[in-house]
Amino acid sequence: DSGVTQTPKHLITATGQRVTLRCSPRSGDLSVYWYQQSLDQGLQFLIHYYNGEERAKGNILERFSAQQFPDLHSELNLSSLELGDSALYFCASSAGQGRGAKNIQYFGAGTRLSVL
Amino acid sequence: DAKTTQPPSMDCAEGRAANLPCNHSTISGNEYVYWYRQIHSQGPQYIIHGLKNNETNEMASLIITEDRKSSTLILPHATLRDTAVYYCAEGGKLIFGQGTELSVKP
Repeated sequence: DSGVTQTPKHLITATGQRVTLRCSPRSGDLSVYWYQQSLDQGLQFLIHYYNGEERAKGNILERFSAQQFPDLHSELNLSSLELGDSALYFCASSAGQGRGAKNIQYFGAGTRLSVL
Repeated sequence: DAKTTQPPSMDCAEGRAANLPCNHSTISGNEYVYWYRQIHSQGPQYIIHGLKNNETNEMASLIITEDRKSSTLILPHATLRDTAVYYCAEGGKLIFGQGTELSVKP
């Protein structure tokens, strides 16, 4: 058990809908990262938050947004869903700001999103 | 963005050492190299990381070349449970490559 909690585990929805994925980091970790894993793209970094502030963006679509709340949990919002958004979405947390030895990331079990 | 390259697949006999290579020729001087593995569709699991020196922990050893352009993850006595996809990644954003699918065979 990594200590990172993601909910829900599975999500089935229709095209055009909006969903919210939730992540609770390990106790004491200030950084939260979101990744998307689809069959043809591998693990893709989406976005990084540190202590409530956005620190880095990766290949995140404009239809997707995220935030980190004062209690450090994070939510990834996916809107206007398309078939191609079906994927595993992982959250990871780390103690540091994103560089250096303290950036060991611990991953949650993921949310499997199926868009029908 | 930084990019790593790894062989897509490797086989290893149970009990033997598994040596998994990674090229990270664009790594900057102050970025660490990290290794993770993913079993089936579970969340990636941290294995080891390093900057310049070789590293060892209870799971594996990491050998980094002097020019830091490549590294090798060594599983000294592979078991069937080590069958997984192994990723090397660099930097704070963990830019993952496609990984190496390691199959440990009896």
